[in-house]
Amino acid sequence: DTGVSQDPRHKITKRGQNVTFRCDPISEHNRLYWYRQTLGQGPEFLTYFQNEAQLEKSRLLSDRFSAERPKGSFSTLEIQRTEQGDSAMYLCASSLFPGQGFNEQFFGPGTRLTVL
Amino acid sequence: AQKITQTQPGMFVQEKEAVTLDCTYDTSDPSYGLFWYKQPSSGEMIFLIYQGSYDQQNATEGRYSLNFQKARKSANLVISASQLGDSAMYFCAMREGLNTGNQFYFGTGTSLTVIP
Repeated sequence: DTGVSQDPRHKITKRGQNVTFRCDPISEHNRLYWYRQTLGQGPEFLTYFQNEAQLEKSRLLSDRFSAERPKGSFSTLEIQRTEQGDSAMYLCASSLFPGQGFNEQFFGPGTRLTVL
Repeated sequence: AQKITQTQPGMFVQEKEAVTLDCTYDTSDPSYGLFWYKQPSSGEMIFLIYQGSYDQQNATEGRYSLNFQKARKSANLVISASQLGDSAMYFCAMREGLNTGNQFYFGTGTSLTVIP
């Protein structure tokens, strides 16, 4: 069990540029979640997948944001035309559903985005 | 309305002492799960403890215990025998529905500093 990994760990970009983040969940996990965490706040839900199907999207996920999980394994989160307000930590989590126990979510180390 | 409220932005505790981190929640769903996560400065969210809404006993996990008061809708985390490595952000989270893969709602967190 190698845990959830995210790439890159840090990204600095200029306003207006597009960025893409990748998340690799724990291999047997079928659910994958994206959260955004701004300074001094707790993580806020963005979207989640079960296998390749995107089941729910938050109001926070504006039209500039798109997430995919094409083969039900890794996922990408793309932000187009970045704005300074997009600066945050983007966290990915995965879980096995239905699973045994209480379906905790396992989090990756996050990608910290800074938009200049 | 906030689903999770953590009213202590920062807490200090002497090494080897116990500390209580407060969490209140708001939901109309009779079935829910409550989670505590630790977030060190590295950024990764580390699962600590879980309490289900129908659990009769307070959850315990090593030095962590959860003081669950259902009528008051509170789920305080108690850390006994604090260690220097406990210094981190602590987040309370709730998932509505039991054994579901629903999103988590997080509080704003409490920064715990353990003093030698």
